[in-house]
Amino acid sequence: NAGVMQNPRHLVRRRGQEARLRCSPMKGHSHVYWYRQLPEEGLKFMVYLQKENIIDESGMPKERFSAEFPKEGPSILRIQQVVRGDSAAYFCASSTNRGTEAFFGQGTRLTVV
Amino acid sequence: GQQVMQIPQYQHVQEGEDFTTYCNSSTTLSNIQWYKQRPGGHPVFLIQLVKSGEVKKQKRLTFQFGEAKKNSSLHITATQTTDVGTYFCAGDSSASKIIFGSGTRLSIRP
Repeated sequence: NAGVMQNPRHLVRRRGQEARLRCSPMKGHSHVYWYRQLPEEGLKFMVYLQKENIIDESGMPKERFSAEFPKEGPSILRIQQVVRGDSAAYFCASSTNRGTEAFFGQGTRLTVV
Repeated sequence: GQQVMQIPQYQHVQEGEDFTTYCNSSTTLSNIQWYKQRPGGHPVFLIQLVKSGEVKKQKRLTFQFGEAKKNSSLHITATQTTDVGTYFCAGDSSASKIIFGSGTRLSIRP
């Protein structure tokens, strides 16, 4: 049973470009969380999704950021018109149910130049 | 909104010494989880506590959940170099999201 798969592992974007981060949850997991982590800081909640539904996006900036978890395929975190401040590690986690053990992917390190 | 605070932010100990990190939530939690993140790695689940006053042990690690279900602690006895990393608590308040504490980074002098 493969773990949570995130790709790419590293992503470099120029200011103004779009960044698309992908997360395939563990098999059988229908709950996905996205977190952002700055160097040597904690994990900041961004968005919580179930299949085809956004349950809570209170941690996600209203502009430029969007997330989806379609019926088929991975969850996508999209950042439009990236700025230097978007540089961070973005972690995805999945679980079978809300409030149960969450399994994390290895993260995508986004660098905006 | 719900906040989960963790102290201390950093802890540097001599190998063999004990280590404790504390987690406090602004709201009552339905459960609390603990994760460990090695430098450059991703968070890895350690344990979940659900019941008021619950205590669980994993070898040298002891986890406690407060009676009011608003605080928790992780204690490591006789630290080893393999314990190095950042320890996060994560609280679920029956709201939709799991909120992580800011973490305690443990470093160890051999």
